[in-house]
Amino acid sequence: NAGVTQTPKFQVLKTGQSMTLQCAQDMNHEYMSWYRQDPGMGLRLIHYSVGAGITDQGEVPNGYNVSRSTTEDFPLRLLSAAPSQTSVYFCASSYSEAQSLNFGPGTRLTVT
Amino acid sequence: AQTVTQSQPEMSVQEAETVTLSCTYDTSESDYYLFWYKQPPSRQMILVIRQEAYKQQNATENRFSVNFQKAAKSFSLKISDSQLGDAAMYFCAYSGGGADGLTFGKGTHLIIQP
Repeated sequence: NAGVTQTPKFQVLKTGQSMTLQCAQDMNHEYMSWYRQDPGMGLRLIHYSVGAGITDQGEVPNGYNVSRSTTEDFPLRLLSAAPSQTSVYFCASSYSEAQSLNFGPGTRLTVT
Repeated sequence: AQTVTQSQPEMSVQEAETVTLSCTYDTSESDYYLFWYKQPPSRQMILVIRQEAYKQQNATENRFSVNFQKAAKSFSLKISDSQLGDAAMYFCAYSGGGADGLTFGKGTHLIIQP
C-alpha cells in the first residue's frame, strides 16, 4: 500500500492564483481530513470528510474548498491564494473518526 | 472547545537517558482519545502512541510509555533509553472520537545530545 499520497511536495503561488492540492489514499478509509501547520501553532483542521459525498468545515476553513467524489481522493482547493495561506498542508485518513490518523508527507506552500 | 497545552517548547536529553514530555488538556467529555505524534525533520507525522480514556492502563510501545492521569487531565510521554533517531518535534493531540478531528498542542522540540 502507498498509504496517503500528496502532490505536489512544494508549490509557490502568487497572490490571487488558485490551485488544487491533491490527496489520495489506498486503504479504503472513510474518514479523510486536511490540516495546516504553521510555526508555533501545531496543526489545525481545515476540512474533513466522513465518506464520499460528505464534507464539513474544520477550525480554519476560510479560503479553501473541498470535495469528495470517491473514497480514495480528497482534493483541497485554494480559490484565491493569500500570503496568510503560506503553510505546510497535511492530508490524513483513518478507518473511522476515533482511530489514529495516517498522514501524507505534506505540501509546503508559499504564497508571495 | 478542547485545548491541548504542551508547556515545554524544547527539551534536551543525553543519549541513553530518559526524558518526559508534558501535555495537559481541557475537556468536559468522559470518553476521548489521546495521541502522541512524532515529526522528524523529514516532516512526516508518525504515530507514537494512542491512549483511550476509558482504559486505566497506561499505553506502552517499546521504549515509549505514557503517564495518563485522567482526573488531572495530564498525558505525559516518557522516552526511555533515548536514541539519536528520537530527535524530532513531538505533538500531543486530543480527539473526542467525533468527526471534528484532532486538536493538537504546539509541540515540543526534542534534542538528543550524543
